[in-house]
Amino acid sequence: GESVGLHLPTLSVQEGDNSIINCAYSNSASDYFIWYKQESGKGPQFIIDIRSNMDKRQGQRVTVLLNKTVKHLSLQIAATQPGDSAVYFCAWPPSGSARQLTFGSGTQLTVLP
Amino acid sequence: SAVISQKPSRDICQRGTSLTIQCQVDSQVTMMFWYRQQPGQSLTLIATANQGSEATYESGFVIDKFPISRPNLTFSTLTVSNMSPEDSSIYLCSVVGYTDTQYFGPGTRLTVL
Repeated sequence: GESVGLHLPTLSVQEGDNSIINCAYSNSASDYFIWYKQESGKGPQFIIDIRSNMDKRQGQRVTVLLNKTVKHLSLQIAATQPGDSAVYFCAWPPSGSARQLTFGSGTQLTVLP
Repeated sequence: SAVISQKPSRDICQRGTSLTIQCQVDSQVTMMFWYRQQPGQSLTLIATANQGSEATYESGFVIDKFPISRPNLTFSTLTVSNMSPEDSSIYLCSVVGYTDTQYFGPGTRLTVL
């Protein structure tokens, strides 16, 4: 796998607002996508995943949307809380069966009080 | 989810020396991987740790620089050999269990002087 991009986009939201984090992926053959949250000084934490036969999946306060036509993922966080401040990465395996992940460049989410 | 530990959690090393990082998981897993995360960047896959055989390395990574062992289903080591300051990174192991979800360890923060 390869990482994509060297710059870390940032997103600042007010506490209680909804957050939308976007990701463009490069491999049209990928059939599985994952969002990870990485807090400072920690390893990435699994948030939610989605398979390519779905265009939407909901979890607790999070929703992932998949648009295969334009190879785009988004992560929506409802009622953003201070504990949501972290770097968020999307990731995907480069082929249908492999699990060696390619990671997006990540987005730094900062929740403002 | 699998509980993954890494040792050491951080280290400061001299140029030209080598460091071996250990990854231990609390349950048997199907796949184990090693990733590198350079400061402020995304994750890049180094290699797949194969049980009882040589690791499978990604483009740009070689066995002489990053020897990997995986003697059983729950343990792996990554050695960073002949270190230079450019090797300063976070090194992360990850595992895939029978649910197909990939989980990450807490990372080892390496600084090379």
